[in-house]
Amino acid sequence: GENVEQHPSTLSVQEGDSAVIKCTYSDSASNYFPWYKQELGKGPQLIIDIRSNVGEKKDQRIAVTLNKTAKHFSLHITETQPEDSAVYFCAAASTLTFGKGTMLLVSP
Amino acid sequence: GAGVSQSPSNKVTEKGKDVELRCDPISGHTALYWYRQRLGQGLEFLIYFQGNSAPDKSGLPSDRFSAERTGESVSTLTIQRTQQEDSAVYLCASSRVGEKLLFGSGTQLSVL
Repeated sequence: GENVEQHPSTLSVQEGDSAVIKCTYSDSASNYFPWYKQELGKGPQLIIDIRSNVGEKKDQRIAVTLNKTAKHFSLHITETQPEDSAVYFCAAASTLTFGKGTMLLVSP
Repeated sequence: GAGVSQSPSNKVTEKGKDVELRCDPISGHTALYWYRQRLGQGLEFLIYFQGNSAPDKSGLPSDRFSAERTGESVSTLTIQRTQQEDSAVYLCASSRVGEKLLFGSGTQLSVL
């Protein structure tokens, strides 16, 4: 089955800085890679996703890059804001194997 | 409804009791997923339904866990003879085939 590793487990940044979260996956057949944001007491919310036929996708301050050869993908958040503070999960494969999550803390 | 609905939102039970957790997916979503999330941990895949069949049950941790789905509608996750290690948030998600998963808010299960 698929195995997804996510790093770092925690990330602290100052407001306005950029944040990068990285994930690696094991199954070369995986072709769909979403990122979810989970705020305290809520279910995960999809924030961006990418399919294997593209290398990068951007949506305002959020971008995802995919390197299929190396089997890794990354979430980039620019101009971070305190409301970006949450746990972020990456996932891969058809039944979505999730990484263990990254707690992002943005200090004002 | 507008989103995936899960009930109850919180469930406290005694060790050894059976519990049923319910998920109402978004109308038209043929795929339904159950995940478990222990405190401070990631999402652990339990089971996937396509319609009312379950092509992937690989994540169910033991034979105390079972799930059913009625057509392309409600699903029930049943945990028999609950143990303290079953305490977690149980999350349900649904999607159209090949499209993004949308999650419910989860059921917080506490086994005393």
